[in-house]
Amino acid sequence: GAGVSQTPSNKVTEKGKYVELRCDPISGHTALYWYRQSLGQGPEFLIYFQGTGAADDSGLPNDRFFAVRPEGSVSTLKIQRTERGDSAVYLCASSLKPRDTEAFFGQGTRLTVV
Amino acid sequence: AQRVTQPEKLLSVFKGAPVELKCNYSYSGSPELFWYVQYSRQRLQLLLRHISRESIKGFTADLNKGETSFHLKKPFAQEEDSAMYYCALSSGGSYIPTFGRGTSLIVHP
Repeated sequence: GAGVSQTPSNKVTEKGKYVELRCDPISGHTALYWYRQSLGQGPEFLIYFQGTGAADDSGLPNDRFFAVRPEGSVSTLKIQRTERGDSAVYLCASSLKPRDTEAFFGQGTRLTVV
Repeated sequence: AQRVTQPEKLLSVFKGAPVELKCNYSYSGSPELFWYVQYSRQRLQLLLRHISRESIKGFTADLNKGETSFHLKKPFAQEEDSAMYYCALSSGGSYIPTFGRGTSLIVHP
């Protein structure tokens, strides 16, 4: 079976533009996480979905960041009015059930804001 | 708040030497600790977790609650162990893993 899939793998955008990053979790996984990883740092938590709802969005840095998971499977991370500081690798992970402690990661989307 | 500290950004050893990657954490409750690994051009993947008490690829890690540490050890490093290693903590409430900044392990031939 396929692992967690993220598209695009690379995205270059101009400052001020809007971007969407997509995550396809492993089929049947109910928990989904978004992380952001800047150069030389570990993954930093952004938001956690349990099913369709955002169970914890405390890691979103500001209101330019938003994520959805309308059918409890695919998730989209949306960033408005991008800034150069948003440049990072955005990682998505999923796990089978609530409180399952093994998260499976995607390859990430490398976002570069120029 | 939960926090994970990996004091070494880089650890360089020769093949056959022992390896210890350090991880310290801060959390007031009973945490679950993990080690994740990322090999070159591959995705982040779970290496081991403390509740399993298992040895994976020759690596072991023991949770020391007194010292709030979860160091990763291997008695004889291999070249294929070269990778980024991340220590992570998950609390009983949210189960959202918090990661350290990672340690790059380089094993020279």
